[in-house]
Amino acid sequence: AQKITQTQPGMFVQEKEAVTLDCTYDTSDPSYGLFWYKQPSSGEMIFLIYQGSYDQQNATEGRYSLNFQKARKSANLVISASQLGDSAMYFCAMRGAAGGTSYGKLTFGQGTILTVHP
Amino acid sequence: GAGVSQSPSNKVTEKGKDVELRCDPISGHTALYWYRQRLGQGLEFLIYFQGNSAPDKSGLPSDRFSAERTGESVSTLTIQRTQQEDSAVYLCASSLMNTGELFFGEGSRLTVL
Repeated sequence: AQKITQTQPGMFVQEKEAVTLDCTYDTSDPSYGLFWYKQPSSGEMIFLIYQGSYDQQNATEGRYSLNFQKARKSANLVISASQLGDSAMYFCAMRGAAGGTSYGKLTFGQGTILTVHP
Repeated sequence: GAGVSQSPSNKVTEKGKDVELRCDPISGHTALYWYRQRLGQGLEFLIYFQGNSAPDKSGLPSDRFSAERTGESVSTLTIQRTQQEDSAVYLCASSLMNTGELFFGEGSRLTVL
């Protein structure tokens, strides 16, 4: 079974500063994918970034980067130069590899609410 | 349309009534997912379709919940004899095959009185 843990119910950051949102995971699958989604107050789910477990480099997408530490089973999201519009709920998620028991579905963590202060 | 479409966007029903929630995925997306999100909570997996078969129904909370999908198109989630604890936003998502990112609809907010 897969499990995603987000230990920070809420985080605060000053505008223009960087913030790290924590995510740890547990899986028995030899390969897997890790995702981060953003959910603003409007409720839509917005895909941010993806990291494959065998990717050699940490994923980056604009101001978003994923600090992937495989041995520690962590996949923290780093948002640089925070903006007021970054205030939202952030979810970490995992999908297992093809042929594995967890293939197909994404398992989500409980989320972290990020508030950006001006 | 370009995105995942869900209907109704809001549904208020009385306890004991049946409800149907509809999801129209992105054209060409073979995988379709249903999740439930209670207020302030994370996403709870319900069921996943690859084509019109459901390899993983493990998240359906009870036999009051069922889902079907026609080909690689529309899916319907049916909740029979609704209970107040069924109140939540039901999110549908689709993806190209069963790899890559999920694209979510805006959800159907269900309120059971």
